[in-house]
Amino acid sequence: EADIYQTPRYLVIGTGKKITLECSQTMGHDKMYWYQQDPGMELHLIHYSYGVNSTEKGDLSSESTVSRIRTEHFPLTLESARPSHTSQYLCASSDRLASSYEQYFGPGTRLTVT
Amino acid sequence: QKEVEQDPGPLSVPEGAIVSLNCTYSNSAFQYFMWYRQYSRKGPELLMYTYSSGNKEDGRFTAQVDKSSKYISLFIRDSQPSDSATYLCAAPKAAGNKLTFGGGTRVLVKP
Repeated sequence: EADIYQTPRYLVIGTGKKITLECSQTMGHDKMYWYQQDPGMELHLIHYSYGVNSTEKGDLSSESTVSRIRTEHFPLTLESARPSHTSQYLCASSDRLASSYEQYFGPGTRLTVT
Repeated sequence: QKEVEQDPGPLSVPEGAIVSLNCTYSNSAFQYFMWYRQYSRKGPELLMYTYSSGNKEDGRFTAQVDKSSKYISLFIRDSQPSDSATYLCAAPKAAGNKLTFGGGTRVLVKP
């Protein structure tokens, strides 16, 4: 079983609030990712990191920001939540090896902005 | 055009039947293909992967790749109710470990 954790699992919050979604992994993986997934839809990569102090935007434009100060921790922040941010957010990690394409996923955070 | 496409389903089968899942892709550069399983309200987990063309078998699961037609298949033999989930195909982009996912096919195995 993958050792990657996300908190909170569910969050209902009002418009305009600042939120941080937490993601931690204990596998020592260098690479970490954030995906956004709407019900019944594909996963869209919104942020990724190849190591400490390295972050890049993904394929889907997002108003969220991320940081990578520690290898094991990759939090995602929304400065001012809006109803359009309502979605499931999935964090994943993978090994540094170029041949390792397997990504391990956390359980996700289901965010609802009212 | 999406790079990886799947029929969203749902695909409903009786317990014990063979489940056949398909995926098409448009990027000829894809060399490596993966199938993830996602249970409701959970993150995806890797089921199996296969490189280039051919078959790969793992227990009740068989993955096939046909590069000439850009077609990926997953077969589940002797399906169980616990196989009820959404199945996502994915392929890594040429640079780095970023994955492109299909939209997933929802499977329901009825006892």
